[in-house]
Amino acid sequence: AQKVTQAQTEISVVEKEDVTLDCVYETRDTTYYLFWYKQPPSGELVFLIRRNSFDEQNEISGRYSWNFQKSTSSFNFTITASQVVDSAVYFCALKRDTGRRALTFGSGTRLQVQP
Amino acid sequence: SAVISQKPSRDICQRGTSLTIQCQVDSQVTMMFWYRQQPGQSLTLIATANQGSEATYESGFVIDKFPISRPNLTFSTLTVSNMSPEDSSIYLCSTNRGGTDTQYFGPGTRLTVL
Repeated sequence: AQKVTQAQTEISVVEKEDVTLDCVYETRDTTYYLFWYKQPPSGELVFLIRRNSFDEQNEISGRYSWNFQKSTSSFNFTITASQVVDSAVYFCALKRDTGRRALTFGSGTRLQVQP
Repeated sequence: SAVISQKPSRDICQRGTSLTIQCQVDSQVTMMFWYRQQPGQSLTLIATANQGSEATYESGFVIDKFPISRPNLTFSTLTVSNMSPEDSSIYLCSTNRGGTDTQYFGPGTRLTVL
């Protein structure tokens, strides 16, 4: 069975602070995919990143960066110099490489960035 | 990225009625997924819909309550039957597009049952 844990229910920071959202996953598969999605107040789910299990390179995209560590089954997401527009619920998700390939979501972390 | 549209975007329904949600993708796709997001919760998979076969439901979801149609490779519907207030949720359809492993989501249907 697969499981994704986002232990941080809610985080509040002040604008320009850096913030890291944690994601720990469990799977018996050797090949899988990890995702981060952003859900702003409008409700739409916005894709941020996909990482394959065989690619442990960290990735940076503007103010966003992701740290994938297979040894600790973690896929953490850091926002540098946070902005009010970053306020949203962020979901980490896991997908198998076989079978129905639907996503298993974590419980989400609500990020509030105060001006 | 995939362009996925859903109708209606929101609705307020009476207890005991049914609502059919439509999902349209701008290209042919093999699998379409239906998720439910209850208020303040994460997303839970309802079922997977392949064209030409019956949908596969997850534990806790049954066809009588959530019948799904998949008449072609770009369209699917989810019906929420005999609704109760507990069915108040956002319903999202999703698919991989273009053979990639990235799953994109429609804008969601926000359902309120009174």
